[in-house]
Amino acid sequence: DTEVTQTPKHLVMGMTNKKSLKCEQHMGHRAMYWYKQKAKKPPELMFVYSYEKLSINESVPSRFSPECPNSSLLNLHLHALQPEDSALYLCASSQLHRGETQYFGPGTRLLVL
Amino acid sequence: SQQGEEDPQALSIQEGENATMNCSYKTSINNLQWYRQNSGRGLVHLILIRSNEREKHSGRLRVTLDTSKKSSSLLITASRAADTASYFCATEGTGNQFYFGTGTSLTVIP
Repeated sequence: DTEVTQTPKHLVMGMTNKKSLKCEQHMGHRAMYWYKQKAKKPPELMFVYSYEKLSINESVPSRFSPECPNSSLLNLHLHALQPEDSALYLCASSQLHRGETQYFGPGTRLLVL
Repeated sequence: SQQGEEDPQALSIQEGENATMNCSYKTSINNLQWYRQNSGRGLVHLILIRSNEREKHSGRLRVTLDTSKKSSSLLITASRAADTASYFCATEGTGNQFYFGTGTSLTVIP
């Protein structure tokens, strides 16, 4: 199984809402990633988890809170987002953190009103 | 900050022609990868080339890497309509960074 799944596919939320994005992989990968992608732009790395520990936080605002409950799951908790946070949020995983192919999920398209 | 710049930004070719896209980057790298993204979807890994390699092939894909010029190219031969997508290079730096380039939007006209 070389699939990374993400739920939900689409999400609309108000600026006062709290929501979570979920990502799951069953490839035994020990590194998982969150990216943000705006239209017609490349993905931008947000967070990296390696062996379930946060290893990279690319200066992401605290209204984005990642969580890695176990080696197969990765969550991104959202709170008090701004309209400019509307984007495609991509999850990826790789065997190890460095020097490895990343496998991407289909993404969650988020709209903040 | 962005590591890679891709050229051209957009490319339109006829089916059967070859497509070449280039990636330039700024700092030393461990490896360089190429990914494809169909509109609004997740990215699909195409090929990884390590810093000590100069050329790599995978099916209709050929990737070159010139570390002295800090550049890479992706050649897709005998293009098909299904190759229509955005193509991104991604570099893994020696200092833990992982960045995608600006991307090339390829349209293959049937």
